[in-house]
Amino acid sequence: GAGVSQSPSNKVTEKGKDVELRCDPISGHTALYWYRQSLGQGLEFLIYFQGNSAPDKSGLPSDRFSAERTGGSVSTLTIQRTQQEDSAVYLCASSLRVAAAAAYEQYFGPGTRLTVT
Amino acid sequence: LAKTTQPISMDSYEGQEVNITCSHNNIATNDYITWYQQFPSQGPRFIIQGYKTKVTNEVASLFIPADRKSSTLSLPRVSLSDTAVYYCLVGDFRGSTLGRLYFGRGTQLTVWP
Repeated sequence: GAGVSQSPSNKVTEKGKDVELRCDPISGHTALYWYRQSLGQGLEFLIYFQGNSAPDKSGLPSDRFSAERTGGSVSTLTIQRTQQEDSAVYLCASSLRVAAAAAYEQYFGPGTRLTVT
Repeated sequence: LAKTTQPISMDSYEGQEVNITCSHNNIATNDYITWYQQFPSQGPRFIIQGYKTKVTNEVASLFIPADRKSSTLSLPRVSLSDTAVYYCLVGDFRGSTLGRLYFGRGTQLTVWP
């Protein structure tokens, strides 16, 4: 079946504007994850959803970041009042469920490259 | 939070076996160890996962000692296409609730002809 899809693939925005990044997980995957990867850096875990619920939001970098998931499927990561340090690739992944081994076998999308000018 | 430590980079030649070790001293009892591969401009790809002893699949082997404070990813007979960043992942389960996942910076493996 189809893999994880993300849109847009690239986004250039001006400092101070809001942006929305979208993730469409693999059908049937109940768990969804958001990561951020800055140039030359590792993956920074942001948040995960089990169904529509996000039990732990402490990984979000600031209160300008928010995420939601509706219908147990599509998720949106919103960044308000973007700053230049928000420039990065935002990756989304999904897994069958959040439970020990299954949580770690994640399927990643191609990412959204965000550039804040 | 179960953090991981890996070498920043490794070099190898085609046909050699490569072993990449990851330290995870604070791993929790119910945590699994997972390795991912990432090529430039792509999302990471799951390679292998284990809990203890040895796991082998068609692309790699994973060795985990009894104390589980480290793990070693073994790639047999690497080729140029194995040049990528390799990440070791350990989770942060609190009971049945997943906390945060720590990927770290990974190991850049470069395979030379």
